[in-house]
Amino acid sequence: AQSVTQPDIHITVSEGASLELRCNYSYGATPYLFWYVQSPGQGLQLLLKYFSGDTLVQGIKGFEAEFKRSQSSFNLRKPSVHWSDAAEYFCAVGLNTNAGKSTFGDGTTLTVKP
Amino acid sequence: DTEVTQTPKHLVMGMTNKKSLKCEQHMGHRAMYWYKQKAKKPPELMFVYSYEKLSINESVPSRFSPECPNSSLLNLHLHALQPEDSALYLCASSLTNRGQETQYFGPGTRLLVL
Repeated sequence: AQSVTQPDIHITVSEGASLELRCNYSYGATPYLFWYVQSPGQGLQLLLKYFSGDTLVQGIKGFEAEFKRSQSSFNLRKPSVHWSDAAEYFCAVGLNTNAGKSTFGDGTTLTVKP
Repeated sequence: DTEVTQTPKHLVMGMTNKKSLKCEQHMGHRAMYWYKQKAKKPPELMFVYSYEKLSINESVPSRFSPECPNSSLLNLHLHALQPEDSALYLCASSLTNRGQETQYFGPGTRLLVL
């Protein structure tokens, strides 16, 4: 069975600083990987996804993520954080046949300091 | 139309009430999902409908009853709920493209059971 670990429960960065959120997965085959963002009281918005091909994936809102098979990681990055990026971020790994059986990490809460 | 809508946004109900949550999408997606999300936790899959047929039921109590009247609509009927059922209920639909499936989430219904 697949699993996802987000090692950082809570991260605080200053506005304008760079950001990296970590995600490690365990899965026997090539994973499908997703990053979602959830603002308070809102649904999940897909930031980006990796299925195959180029290991550096560009997403919305200036985010990118890099798939590193050797490290079983799919870390999310942003070069300059905005106050509006404060939210909960979830990494998920999906089966190659049914995203509905995706396994979510426990999430990382991002706080942005002015 | 590129979104999943959910109504109502908020719902307060007593343990003897019967209510329904509604989800709608007009993106032509043939898979739809119900998730339950407690505060500061990742979403937990409840039900999956594929081509209007229930394909996954993650051992959800019978007080939750899903219904998929057509390919655009998904309902969740609630009856005799418990206070611990209070949560954010998220609907999602998914698009499969060359075997790669991507989920799109609605904003959720925040349910409080008194």
